Amino acid sequence: QKEVEQDPGPLSVPEGAIVSLNCTYSNSAFQYFMWYRQYSRKGPELLMYTYSSGNKEDGRFTAQVDKSSKYISLFIRDSQPSDSATYLCAMSSPGGGADGLTFGKGTHLIIQP
Amino acid sequence: NAGVTQTPKFQVLKTGQSMTLQCAQDMNHNSMYWYRQDPGMGLRLIYYSASEGTTDKGEVPNGYNVSRLNKREFSLRLESAAPSQTSVYFCASTQSWRSSYNEQFFGPGTRLTVL
Repeated sequence: QKEVEQDPGPLSVPEGAIVSLNCTYSNSAFQYFMWYRQYSRKGPELLMYTYSSGNKEDGRFTAQVDKSSKYISLFIRDSQPSDSATYLCAMSSPGGGADGLTFGKGTHLIIQP
Repeated sequence: NAGVTQTPKFQVLKTGQSMTLQCAQDMNHNSMYWYRQDPGMGLRLIYYSASEGTTDKGEVPNGYNVSRLNKREFSLRLESAAPSQTSVYFCASTQSWRSSYNEQFFGPGTRLTVL
């Protein structure tokens, strides 16, 4: 079983819709959770960073962590065509290892104008 | 600040040829990483360097070697390229893997095709 599971999509929604992207994980030691956005032919860039459980909001984006269920989500409100990208979840544990973050495989999101 | 830079951006090799992918960061980061990204496979860690002077194998190290030239630079070498190494290669860095805030910053990638 992979440590981090993420549906690869593609997920296609109309402009203005609320988007929900999710990851599940198996390692209960994970405490730091990130969402990266990767546009086509570009490197990933950090979108949201959360520590432990709870919600974090930044503009149209909300990151949610439920450690009891080992489940994290990214919500995008009022989605725009410019949000079309691949979204990767990533996570790590405190001092968890020099090999760094554990990534999901990414969900390809398409926002239709 | 340029962040993480990679050269070249594109490369086409013939089977058996060798090449070195270059990566440099100007953020004074201690830890650096090389990933490959293939359709449906996500990011897979090839090698990493936790700090200057150290390198370790990641998930898919076979066919590759690395050199942490100094704190800024981390190169990836393909000694005898194979078609299975056709991929997009990303270099990344972070302040330190020991930090509680361990965001990785990525370069723009190198698209490599091996014929």
